[in-house]
Amino acid sequence: EAGVTQSPTHLIKTRGQQATLRCSPISGHTSVYWYQQALGLGLQFLLWYDEGEERNRGNFPPRFSGRQFPNYSSELNVNALELEDSALYLCASSLVDSSYNEQFFGPGTRLTVL
Amino acid sequence: AQKVTQAQTEISVVEKEDVTLDCVYETRDTTYYLFWYKQPPSGELVFLIRRNSFDEQNEISGRYSWNFQKSTSSFNFTITASQVVDSAVYFCALINMIKAAGNKLTFGGGTRVLVKP
Repeated sequence: EAGVTQSPTHLIKTRGQQATLRCSPISGHTSVYWYQQALGLGLQFLLWYDEGEERNRGNFPPRFSGRQFPNYSSELNVNALELEDSALYLCASSLVDSSYNEQFFGPGTRLTVL
Repeated sequence: AQKVTQAQTEISVVEKEDVTLDCVYETRDTTYYLFWYKQPPSGELVFLIRRNSFDEQNEISGRYSWNFQKSTSSFNFTITASQVVDSAVYFCALINMIKAAGNKLTFGGGTRVLVKP
């Protein structure tokens, strides 16, 4: 069974540009989560989508947004990129009815903002 | 608010030594899960172990074992007879069992483990 996949693996942008990151969950999973791992800041929760709706949002500015498609895949959009947005962005997925809330992670997209 | 603290930023050992990683957490929730994840250089987070707040029984799974003490809010993790392949960053994490609370993992800062041959 395929795991969580993310694309692209690496993304290089310049300040002020927009970045779009993509995530495909494990088949059968309806929840998708986004986490940011910036140097020195650790892993921080960004967004949770379930059944196409945003369910929870971390402490990030509105220029971080996303959506979940009918096939449960997800996009994370970062507008007006700033240097501090450089980070590894990890996507995770889970079953919506899992009693363990176990989140399975993808390999990540490394975003570099120049 | 929830908080997870991993006081050790880096641990270096020689192969076959045991490694114990410390994790202390803060939460007002009464029902929660604690996790340990491994992040190798490739970047992907690999799930290792999970423990719920109702079960303080400590277990061993292969070379991994953990010590959960609710009284001290600690969830320590031990790798027995370490191997070079254990070199990675290890994260302790906490999540509220109730999805309505937001369903988000709160991570510690991570502990980098370097196992030398």
